[in-house]
Amino acid sequence: AQTVTQSQPEMSVQEAETVTLSCTYDTSENNYYLFWYKQPPSRQMILVIRQEAYKQQNATENRFSVNFQKAAKSFSLKISDSQLGDTAMYFCAFMIRNNAGNMLTFGGGTRLMVKP
Amino acid sequence: DAEITQSPRHKITETGRQVTLACHQTWNHNNMFWYRQDLGHGLRLIHYSYGVHDTNKGEVSDGYSVSRSNTEDLPLTLESAASSQTSVYFCASSESSVKEAFFGQGTRLTVV
Repeated sequence: AQTVTQSQPEMSVQEAETVTLSCTYDTSENNYYLFWYKQPPSRQMILVIRQEAYKQQNATENRFSVNFQKAAKSFSLKISDSQLGDTAMYFCAFMIRNNAGNMLTFGGGTRLMVKP
Repeated sequence: DAEITQSPRHKITETGRQVTLACHQTWNHNNMFWYRQDLGHGLRLIHYSYGVHDTNKGEVSDGYSVSRSNTEDLPLTLESAASSQTSVYFCASSESSVKEAFFGQGTRLTVV
């Protein structure tokens, strides 16, 4: 079974600064995907960024980037130039890579507050 | 545009009543999932389906059931609602070849 741990229940950052959210996971699988989802107050789950475990290069999406350390089973999210609209719950998630299906295992979430 | 919708968005029910939450997707995805979201637990998998007439139990399936009679719908039924089932419920769908799951907007269920 896979487990995902987010050790920071809440974080805050000043607008325009950089913040890093932590995520660790445990698995015996070798082929998998990792995700960060954002959940704003609207409750909608929004995919922020995706990393394929077989790729060594860290994924980036505009102001969002990850630090993927496969050996350490660590997958942190860095948000640069934080904006007020980044205020949300952030969930780290894990998915085994196979053709049968793709259920997600989620961490407990980190509530991020961006302060003006 | 293709989408995934849940109904109702909010529901209050009494302990012991049967409740069904609807989930409908228009992407023609084979895979559909139900999660519940509780503070400190993130989202936990209740049931999932990989196609018509296929259903499987997830991590927290006790007290819930699903059926898949067509590709578009995966209703979630609480046979006898309990206060411990007060939660926000999310439906999601995906295609095996696609590396992303799409989520509905959630149903907030309160059992009193």
